[in-house]
Amino acid sequence: DAGVIQSPRHEVTEMGQEVTLRCKPISGHNSLFWYRQTMMRGLELLIYFNNNVPIDDSGMPEDRFSAKMPNASFSTLKIQPSEPRDSAVYFCASSLRRGGVGELFFGEGSRLTVL
Amino acid sequence: AQSVTQLGSHVSVSEGALVLLRCNYSSSVPPYLFWYVQYPNQGLQLLLKYTSAATLVKGINGFEAEFKKSETSFHLTKPSAHMSDAAEYFCAVSAQGGADGLTFGKGTHLIIQP
Repeated sequence: DAGVIQSPRHEVTEMGQEVTLRCKPISGHNSLFWYRQTMMRGLELLIYFNNNVPIDDSGMPEDRFSAKMPNASFSTLKIQPSEPRDSAVYFCASSLRRGGVGELFFGEGSRLTVL
Repeated sequence: AQSVTQLGSHVSVSEGALVLLRCNYSSSVPPYLFWYVQYPNQGLQLLLKYTSAATLVKGINGFEAEFKKSETSFHLTKPSAHMSDAAEYFCAVSAQGGADGLTFGKGTHLIIQP
């Protein structure tokens, strides 16, 4: 079975450029999460969706960050304009929310370097 | 609000020795607790989870963890370390079983000495 698929795996860009990270969750899952991982701050939850609706975006660092989930099989995280401090590994995870305990399944991450 | 604290950013053990990775949590409601493992350049994989059913939880790869409410702890153990256990380990907490996302600790890097 296909897991969570993220693209690109690696992105190197220059400050000020727009960056778009993509995620395809596991088929049938109804919750999707975007995390950011850095050495200094560890894993931070940026935003999560339930049934394609954003539920909590309080972790989004600032207005330069935006996330969308136009349908159940696709989500994007966009940074515009990008800054060097945005350099991190961005993980997408999905889960099946059924009221009980859910397991988050993570993609392999998108490593972003902003020069 | 929930939080977890992992004691020790790096833990080194000899192959065949006991592995003990420490995690303490803070939660205003009965917590759901998780341990994840991350191998280099990969995503996180669930090792085990506590859901209030049993205080001793067994997971994959021979790992287990015990929930101790009195100590607000959820330490991860494995009786005998293997070289393949070398990885980053994360403890995480949720108030809603993960439905609202997880709050992760800073991680513990496990080093296995031959």
